[in-house]
Amino acid sequence: GESVGLHLPTLSVQEGDNSIINCAYSNSASDYFIWYKQESGKGPQFIIDIRSNMDKRQGQRVTVLLNKTVKHLSLQIAATQPGDSAVYFCAESRNTGGFKTIFGAGTRLFVKA
Amino acid sequence: NAGVMQNPRHLVRRRGQEARLRCSPMKGHSHVYWYRQLPEEGLKFMVYLQKENIIDESGMPKERFSAEFPKEGPSILRIQQVVRGDSAAYFCASSPQYQETQYFGPGTRLLVL
Repeated sequence: GESVGLHLPTLSVQEGDNSIINCAYSNSASDYFIWYKQESGKGPQFIIDIRSNMDKRQGQRVTVLLNKTVKHLSLQIAATQPGDSAVYFCAESRNTGGFKTIFGAGTRLFVKA
Repeated sequence: NAGVMQNPRHLVRRRGQEARLRCSPMKGHSHVYWYRQLPEEGLKFMVYLQKENIIDESGMPKERFSAEFPKEGPSILRIQQVVRGDSAAYFCASSPQYQETQYFGPGTRLLVL
């Protein structure tokens, strides 16, 4: 079936290092992808998005890479900080008359000081 | 400029009771989405609504669950005759018309005893 999945459930990095969180998707027809950050007890917070006609997009300290050939998405966080500790979800948005978003299971990022 | 509001933040119900969850979208947003999240899992799409219309309810259980977004007032997710398996965090998101990016509320944590 269709799914958006993650390779690793947890990731531990040293403060100041770069983090890479990976995600696989299965629907080749998907055309919009989003990364969300969710801190404990809070709702998901939009980080960055990318459309299928792009392979890279940069934000402030974050970069999203899209490889449509292997249906793979990654989130890179530069100079990871303790405040980056959270669960990160990749999500796929499909226009079904509205924009239904399919979430992956999430990766928990731990930042060690 | 208030974000998406949800209330109550925590709700405790006994089996068989009704749960009503409310969501006020961001100002100017005409679309509302409801998601359910179990512990350590991603968010599962439930329903997408515009004012007075249900656009996509493919993620809603066929029984006991209903949602509305009236012309005036918040969107309501209603769960009748709750069971323990309904215990979860329920998130609402909103977006402007014709825009994919969704902004999430803080969620309602439902506990069924």
